[in-house]
Amino acid sequence: NAGVTQTPKFQVLKTGQSMTLQCAQDMNHNSMYWYRQDPGMGLRLIYYSASEGTTDKGEVPNGYNVSRLNKREFSLRLESAAPSQTSVYFCASSDEGGHSASNQPQHFGDGTRLSIL
Amino acid sequence: KQEVTQIPAALSVPEGENLVLNCSFTDSAIYNLQWFRQDPGKGLTSLLLIQSSQREQTSGRLNASLDKSSGRSTLYIAASQPGDSATYLCAVRGSSNTGKLIFGQGTTLQVKP
Repeated sequence: NAGVTQTPKFQVLKTGQSMTLQCAQDMNHNSMYWYRQDPGMGLRLIYYSASEGTTDKGEVPNGYNVSRLNKREFSLRLESAAPSQTSVYFCASSDEGGHSASNQPQHFGDGTRLSIL
Repeated sequence: KQEVTQIPAALSVPEGENLVLNCSFTDSAIYNLQWFRQDPGKGLTSLLLIQSSQREQTSGRLNASLDKSSGRSTLYIAASQPGDSATYLCAVRGSSNTGKLIFGQGTTLQVKP
């Protein structure tokens, strides 16, 4: 009963390095999301994928790219890390039922704590 | 632009007390509102989801209400316990087209034994 699994749990990078955060869900959900959580700012949506093969920008997409590899996996890439990207990153998924909207909650992973020096 | 506010930012109560957490939002055109719990170092756990057509939802000792016209929701916790200590976040979904959520900054609750 894994739900949403994020790897790694912790990472320290130097400015300018690149890295990919991995997320996988085993609930057969159509929609997946990447958020970042910062003190005083709450959770903010970076990118989301409404269904396999589609991705869209959220509130704070600059400096990030995403890939919806298949229905299970949604990865977030930092091409050239900056100290401003130090944050806790959460992946979430929800069952949007394809073309019809649903009132199902989002399920979250435990997060990746990323520090950029 | 939708904005979600939670007041107070922190709350400390003795065990056994009933308490209310507040959430307000600026745009009343929402699809649903969700309450989450976050324990330190962990992800978010969904507690209650209220659809736009509903007035309240209950789960055990938790009751969430929604007043769209005034842009407010409350989370009522009955007979609080130390295990209820956590950060509580509310989030609104503005559209049926996407599942995007706008979050408040949360209320950190401490229940003292």
